[in-house]
Amino acid sequence: DIQMTQSPSSLSASVGDRVTISCRASQNIGPFLNWYQQRPEEPPKLLIFAASNLQSGVPSRFSASGSGTDFTLTIDGVQPEDSAAYFCHQSHSSLAWTFGQGTKVEIK
Amino acid sequence: EVQLVESGGGLVQPGRSLRLSCAISGFTFDSYAMHWVRQAPGEGLEWVSGISWNGANTGYADSVRGRFTISRDNAKNSLYLQMNSLRPEDTAFYYCVKAGYSPRAFDYWGQGTLVTVSS
Repeated sequence: DIQMTQSPSSLSASVGDRVTISCRASQNIGPFLNWYQQRPEEPPKLLIFAASNLQSGVPSRFSASGSGTDFTLTIDGVQPEDSAAYFCHQSHSSLAWTFGQGTKVEIK
Repeated sequence: EVQLVESGGGLVQPGRSLRLSCAISGFTFDSYAMHWVRQAPGEGLEWVSGISWNGANTGYADSVRGRFTISRDNAKNSLYLQMNSLRPEDTAFYYCVKAGYSPRAFDYWGQGTLVTVSS
C-alpha cells in the first residue's frame, strides 16, 4: 500500500496567521491527493480534492498544491473555527486509499 | 439527502466476532465503491477496507487482512464488515464511507459506530 507521511503532527497558530501542512507519498500518486478537516466529535469533511480543488462551500482562505509525491495545504489567515485535525489522503490506488497521520491545528 | 447510518458496534471480548452494518440512502448505491475507515479514540484515520460497486473487488489494510471481510448487498442498499478474531487494538470508531468518482475522494461519511474490544 502507498504510505502517506504528514507533518507536522500538531501546530499552534494565532488568528490571522498563515498555516502550512505538508504531505508526502511513498510513490508517485499524480494529482490524487485529498485533504479532510475533522472537528472534535464529528466525522471528517472533504476540504480539497485532486490536490488543489476546493470542495463546494469551503472558504477561500484554504488552498493546496502539489503533484507526484509532495503536497501542501495552506490556510491563509487562520480563523478560530479552523481549529481541527487535518488529514491528507491518497486516492491513486484502486481500493487501498490511505491516509496521512494527521495534523492537529490549535488556534491560540 | 445522502445518509450513511452505521450499526452493530459495541463491547466485545478479545477473540470474538462482530458484524457492522451500514444502511445507505440518497444516492444510487450500486454505482459506487464503498469503504470502512476507523479511528481509535484520540488517534488518526486508518483505512480498513474497500469494495467495488459490484462486490467483485475488495481490499484490506494489512492490520485486518484475514480477520475482516467486507461485503455489500446492493438490493438492500447495505454495506457490511464482518470482524473476526477481534483484538484490543481494533477498538475504534468505524465509519462507513462513500467513494466518489468526481471528486475521486471520500465524499460522504457516516457518523460512525464505536467498537470496543476488551475483557
